Amino acid sequence: AQSVAQPEDQVNVAEGNPLTVKCTYSVSGNPYLFWYVQYPNRGLQFLLKYITGDNLVKGSYGFEAEFNKSQTSFHLKKPSALVSDSALYFCAVRDNTGFQKLVFGTGTRLLVSP
Amino acid sequence: DGGITQSPKYLFRKEGQNVTLSCEQNLNHDAMYWYRQDPGQGLRLIYYSQIVNDFQKGDIAEGYSVSREKKESFPLTVTSAQKNPTAFYLCASSIGQNIQYFGAGTRLSVL
Repeated sequence: AQSVAQPEDQVNVAEGNPLTVKCTYSVSGNPYLFWYVQYPNRGLQFLLKYITGDNLVKGSYGFEAEFNKSQTSFHLKKPSALVSDSALYFCAVRDNTGFQKLVFGTGTRLLVSP
Repeated sequence: DGGITQSPKYLFRKEGQNVTLSCEQNLNHDAMYWYRQDPGQGLRLIYYSQIVNDFQKGDIAEGYSVSREKKESFPLTVTSAQKNPTAFYLCASSIGQNIQYFGAGTRLSVL
């Protein structure tokens, strides 16, 4: 079965420092991977996706993600964190069987301190 | 959240009552979804619909029902059979199995 693991419940980083939010996946066939962000009491907003091609994917708000096939990872990164980046981040993988629904991780809360 | 409207924002359910959550989209998307979000559990798929007049159960469909009579609308009913309905409910839509766009959510609580 397809699955996503986000091993950290929370990540703390100081403003201006680089940030990494980790994600590993398990999927049969080619992985289709996504990152979403959720601000308090709001829906999820799409950040970026990996379908094929370059292993470094660039997305919204200066975020990028690195796809590593051998480590089955898709970590979210940003060179310089902002306080406004504080939110809940979800990694998701597309289930390649049946309807190809999205399978979400449990989320990682990012706290950026001033 | 643009293009997908969920209402109400907050909803309270009494014991034994059915309640309906509204989801409307103007993105002309064929596929629509309902998720339940609980703290520490991520998003779990309740129901999805690929086209009008067709819908399928997701991972946690028990105690819920949906309809898809119009392309724009995908209402979710939380029935009295759902014994633990308190959660944040999110509706989403997509073109095929591509990027999903989410509404702002409905927070359901039990009185």
